Amino acid sequence: GAGVSQSPSNKVTEKGKDVELRCDPISGHTALYWYRQSLGQGLEFLIYFQGNSAPDKSGLPSDRFSAERTGGSVSTLTIQRTQQEDSAVYLCASSPGTHVAMFGQGTRLTVV
Amino acid sequence: QKEVEQNSGPLSVPEGAIASLNCTYSDRVSQSFFWYRQYSGKSPELIMSIYSNGDKEDGRFTAQLNKASQYVSLLIRDSQPSDSATYLCAVNAGAGNEKLTFGTGTRLTIIP
Repeated sequence: GAGVSQSPSNKVTEKGKDVELRCDPISGHTALYWYRQSLGQGLEFLIYFQGNSAPDKSGLPSDRFSAERTGGSVSTLTIQRTQQEDSAVYLCASSPGTHVAMFGQGTRLTVV
Repeated sequence: QKEVEQNSGPLSVPEGAIASLNCTYSDRVSQSFFWYRQYSGKSPELIMSIYSNGDKEDGRFTAQLNKASQYVSLLIRDSQPSDSATYLCAVNAGAGNEKLTFGTGTRLTIIP
């Protein structure tokens, strides 16, 4: 596709449920990032994938969060046993490796 | 100390004037610097990148980098109401660490 695609665009889930957020990066982009943004806040780094290298998971806030990237393309961010504090916009970005990250439109997650 | 710091604003500038946005960073090995614009409810979009000390101009936008002082700034000339947005500074750690760290953003309002 022409840009980074994220799905779903909105997700409402009950506390304690698991959710999966999907990111389709720009074709050919080797790097993929996940960030989250709470209302009125900056971007909080979650995880970074670069090619076949081990991902940088240093931003994942707890072991309830995990992410994978299959075939160097699509990525899924999974949040287990969601909590209300997980409510935020989850943003995915991809880059051709020149550090210039292009963002998707985000998934707005609401935990009720 | 935060890794990337910005004045949260809001910064109000009259239409037609110059808007000046500042960002400081703590990691001296940082090599790549970016300015993103984020309209309310939208995802960030890249507007400028800068890698070397000095100025880089693109239309009405000028990015300035001073690695010795660890600051990067963005000047917007002939400010327009459409420039009203939150501006995010992002820094790449460099030296093999591709993680992009964002500041919390400066909210800019252009007053007609």
